Order: sequence, then structure tokens, then C-alpha cells
Amino acid sequence: QLQLQESGPGLVKPSETLSLTCTVSGASITSSGHYWGWSRQPPGKGLEWLGSVHYSGNAYQNPSLKSRVSISVATSKNQLSLKLRSVTAADTAVYYCARDRYGGSEPIDYWGQGIMVTVSS
Amino acid sequence: QSVLTQPPSASGTPGQRVTISCSGSRSNIGNNYVYWYQQLPGTAPKVLIYRNGQRPSGVPDRFSGSQSGTSASLAISGLRSEDESHYYCATWDDSLSGWVFGGGTKLTVL
Repeated sequence: QLQLQESGPGLVKPSETLSLTCTVSGASITSSGHYWGWSRQPPGKGLEWLGSVHYSGNAYQNPSLKSRVSISVATSKNQLSLKLRSVTAADTAVYYCARDRYGGSEPIDYWGQGIMVTVSS
Repeated sequence: QSVLTQPPSASGTPGQRVTISCSGSRSNIGNNYVYWYQQLPGTAPKVLIYRNGQRPSGVPDRFSGSQSGTSASLAISGLRSEDESHYYCATWDDSLSGWVFGGGTKLTVL
């Protein structure tokens, strides 16, 4: 059974970089065709997709955050990571890693349980 | 401001049928599959409907989805108390080259 687990600090200071890791188990991150990405959900609000990456390194990001977001994979560890630079209180949210497929022919189907990240001094 | 527009709330009594709408544009709903998610408090979203109207195994046939033009809808018939949850629509957006979500609808079972 495919499982994803987010990890990282729960508290980040304003202007710093938020760094999270997602460990994938039950399947290889190099599985054909799938992308692996991040979404977030501010408290009491809706979902926002941040970006996704293929194990080949091909990545695509939400244009509204593109300049601040970096997503990468570590195939040897079956992990993906997220870096969000210059954070503010508006970046406080539950961050989810998930599996998807570029182009939308399949849903964002497997999700991690999510990790709450608070931006505060 | 979400790219896809959903009503913030919906409600119904047990046994009733309720529908939740999702409005978009030609670059997203008008040209791509729509997906619906159910999100219970404190949990990750779960796929409820895929490819406009298909149900994953394990999802009751009380849930159905449809798409027409630049809009989609989720229908829940025979409403039950355990259906009380948040529901989100999602699709691919060709202009953004990425995923977009609706703002979510909180369904209350009265």
C-alpha cells in the first residue's frame, strides 16, 4: 500500500526558508508517469497546489508561488522535498505531499497525513 | 480567491438529495477531467469522484458526479449523517499548467 509521510520543523521564522521532506513507501518514486508534489491548506481555508516533480527532475510550480518554491526528488531515498523561501504568516498552513499525474488525466490520488507549519517569530 | 468557484456551504436532512456546484472556465473544467474530494476534519482529502463521474472502489453509489461545459456538480443522494464534511472540486488548468481547486463546500446534515 502506497504511503506518504511528511516531516520537518513545525515552526519557521518570518523571512526564512520552510523546508519539508516527504518519504514515500510502498512504491518507487520512479514509477512511470507519476509526479510527486505538494499542496497546502491554511487553517480554516481551502486547498492550494504548490507544485510537482517527476523523478527525472522535470518540475512545475503554481505560477503564483513559482519564484519562492523549489521541489526536488532524492530517488535513492525515495523522497521528495519542498523549499519555500521568504515565508510570511500567510504561509502558515498544513502542508501535504501527494502523488499526481501531469496533465490531469488522473487525480491527485495518494496523500500524506499532512504537517502543520506555523510561521512566527 | 480560488480559480474554481464553489458555494461555501450546503445542507440537507437525512435521506435528501443535495448537489454541490463547481464553476470554472474553458481552460480548466471546459477541457479537463473534474475530480471531487471529501475531507473530514483533521484528515487529508480523499478522492470521491474521478474523471467527472467515476467512483473509486469503496465509494457508495449515493455519490455521483457530472460535468457540462465549464461547470461540474457533485450529487449526494440518500444523505447520511456521516456525509457531513468538506467537499472540494479540482481539475487541471491548461493556462496555468497546474492543478486548481475550488474553495470548498461545507456540507451540514441537519
